Amino acid sequence: DAMVIQNPRYQVTQFGKPVTLSCSQTLNHNVMYWYQQKSSQAPKLLFHYYDKDFNNEADTPDNFQSRRPNTSFCFLDIRSPGLGDAAMYLCATSGLQGLSNQPQHFGDGTRLSIL
Amino acid sequence: DAKTTQPNSMESNEEEPVHLPCNHSTISGTDYIHWYRQLPSQGPEYVIHGLTSNVNNRMASLAIAEDRKSSTLILHRATLRDAAVYYCILSVTGNQFYFGTGTSLTVIP
Repeated sequence: DAMVIQNPRYQVTQFGKPVTLSCSQTLNHNVMYWYQQKSSQAPKLLFHYYDKDFNNEADTPDNFQSRRPNTSFCFLDIRSPGLGDAAMYLCATSGLQGLSNQPQHFGDGTRLSIL
Repeated sequence: DAKTTQPNSMESNEEEPVHLPCNHSTISGTDYIHWYRQLPSQGPEYVIHGLTSNVNNRMASLAIAEDRKSSTLILHRATLRDAAVYYCILSVTGNQFYFGTGTSLTVIP
């Protein structure tokens, strides 16, 4: 089935050690999103791509970066993780140039722990 | 950011209808109303969405107020598998989703 796949499901890193989370999709959607979801909170949009056009949310810390080498893959890089960055990170896609009537398709997330 | 407000939690008896309310008084004319639900350790799952007219699909119905400042997600017969956090979301231009706090639905057998 076409889907959004996030690997790994669980990631542990050390305080200050760079970490990369990955997302792939088989839906051929041109828009990809990254969300951060802390415990018992709603998902919060970090940034998104229209094709290769990167769009950052105003309150996303500089510590968070993203790369999208092709349509299928998108990466979230956390340059120097702090304890406050422990969260579930969700990837999502949507089609048709991000028209607001399009559902977003979510992966099952990567749960990041910081030691 | 577009804002939605929902009750923190609701309960329903199994096999009875559930009405989940959402207020979005700052909605603009082009914002769509989306509903998603999320089970523990899973990503949000699409339920339904609409703009102005009421919508039905196999999962649920969406009733949108005439002034569009509120909406209600209707689950016609709650099952134990419907226990989840339900999010009401406005998608603004560019299809960016700004989630509200969500309603945690408990289904009582």
